[in-house]
Amino acid sequence: KNQVEQSPQSLIILEGKNCTLQCNYTVSPFSNLRWYKQDTGRGPVSLTIMTFSENTKSNGRYTATLDADTKQSSLHITASQLSDSASYICVVRGYYTGGFKTIFGAGTRLFVKA
Amino acid sequence: GAVVSQHPSRVICKSGTSVKIECRSLDFQATTMFWYRQFPKKSLMLMATSNEGSKATYEQGVEKDKFLINHASLTLSTLTVTSAHPEDSSFYICSAREDAGTRDSMEQFFGPGTRLTVL
Repeated sequence: KNQVEQSPQSLIILEGKNCTLQCNYTVSPFSNLRWYKQDTGRGPVSLTIMTFSENTKSNGRYTATLDADTKQSSLHITASQLSDSASYICVVRGYYTGGFKTIFGAGTRLFVKA
Repeated sequence: GAVVSQHPSRVICKSGTSVKIECRSLDFQATTMFWYRQFPKKSLMLMATSNEGSKATYEQGVEKDKFLINHASLTLSTLTVTSAHPEDSSFYICSAREDAGTRDSMEQFFGPGTRLTVL
């Protein structure tokens, strides 16, 4: 079972609408959680990074929240634009014996329609 | 943010040949570089982690003799796919991280990816 689960798997919304993507993780102890945006055929681009002590982080129209107690994070996109169509990947970095390990979620594919 | 480049962006080769992909950190020194493989509509799969000047650490199931990784400098890592086979066709992405001693650096910067097609 993947230690980072994202939902929904895909999402279609109309331009201008808001949406929220979810990420649940079981990685523990936890170092940090990142959200990336990946356009088709491109590498991921970082949107937000949060440590366990941070509850929210904004980057323009993107706002990420983190609840370290319930091990849940969300990415809220406000006033969606056509260019927001992409895959959004939740990545959790945790401590393991001997060092750190990075676990990728499967991503949520967002389609924004005119 | 920091910039990571990859070259080439696309490559087509014949079965049995070898292909080299370069990954460069343009404005920072990448102590650690990662190589990922991504299939259509799937998430990134870590292939190996390389630290400058030492041998790469490969993930379980990744053939180190097939996917040769060299991290000869703090700004360059290369992935060579040897004796390429059509099943090696995929999207290969590198990322780089600047580590500061024992402190865990949070940020990992990704390259734009290389689309490999083996005929």
